[in-house]
Amino acid sequence: DQQVKQNSPSLSVQEGRISILNCDYTNSMFDYFLWYKKYPAEGPTFLISISSIKDKNEDGRFTVFLNKSAKHLSLHIVPSQPGDSAVYFCAASDSGSNYKLTFGKGTLLTVNP
Amino acid sequence: GAVVSQHPSWVICKSGTSVKIECRSLDFQATTMFWYRQFPKQSLMLMATSNEGSKATYEQGVEKDKFLINHASLTLSTLTVTSAHPEDSSFYICSARGGLAYYEQYFGPGTRLTVT
Repeated sequence: DQQVKQNSPSLSVQEGRISILNCDYTNSMFDYFLWYKKYPAEGPTFLISISSIKDKNEDGRFTVFLNKSAKHLSLHIVPSQPGDSAVYFCAASDSGSNYKLTFGKGTLLTVNP
Repeated sequence: GAVVSQHPSWVICKSGTSVKIECRSLDFQATTMFWYRQFPKQSLMLMATSNEGSKATYEQGVEKDKFLINHASLTLSTLTVTSAHPEDSSFYICSARGGLAYYEQYFGPGTRLTVT
């Protein structure tokens, strides 16, 4: 049972445009949501997070939106840059499980010059 | 801030020997550290969770006698692969929870283990 789902395996956008990566979850116990960027043979790089008491968090070009009622979150990257091309993982955790992360399967973002 | 290092970045060992991998949080105290193994398509499998001074909690299917985890301090955790076999060859990544937001996890760069 996949508790965190990223239904788009890949996304391609033009440089300068907005990238929107989506993530859905099923476990209502999740309190915290995180986005990571990953390259092959490297550890994930933390991008941005949001706790369930908020519906939006912004950090530079990255904004995460959380819709608790729909159990949906999204990561917006504006403007997209070629260096953003990577696999993006959505992850969720809750305090009851010692903050263990449950990952989605990732979305490969390609930003074309 | 929130930097996690791993050492070594890659290691080759002979079958039957043991290998130790270190994970350090460089600029924060890590309440909890996690060890992962990477599989195809970059998916990560959680192997174990460790809190400083406590025994590690292993995920189902992970042999605790084979993958020894020690979390001796708030900035250091080690994973020892004992009696390594070729099937243990993989990319091992650690993460640490702590820093500015108590629920955020930061990952190390990973260690490539090749067992010959």
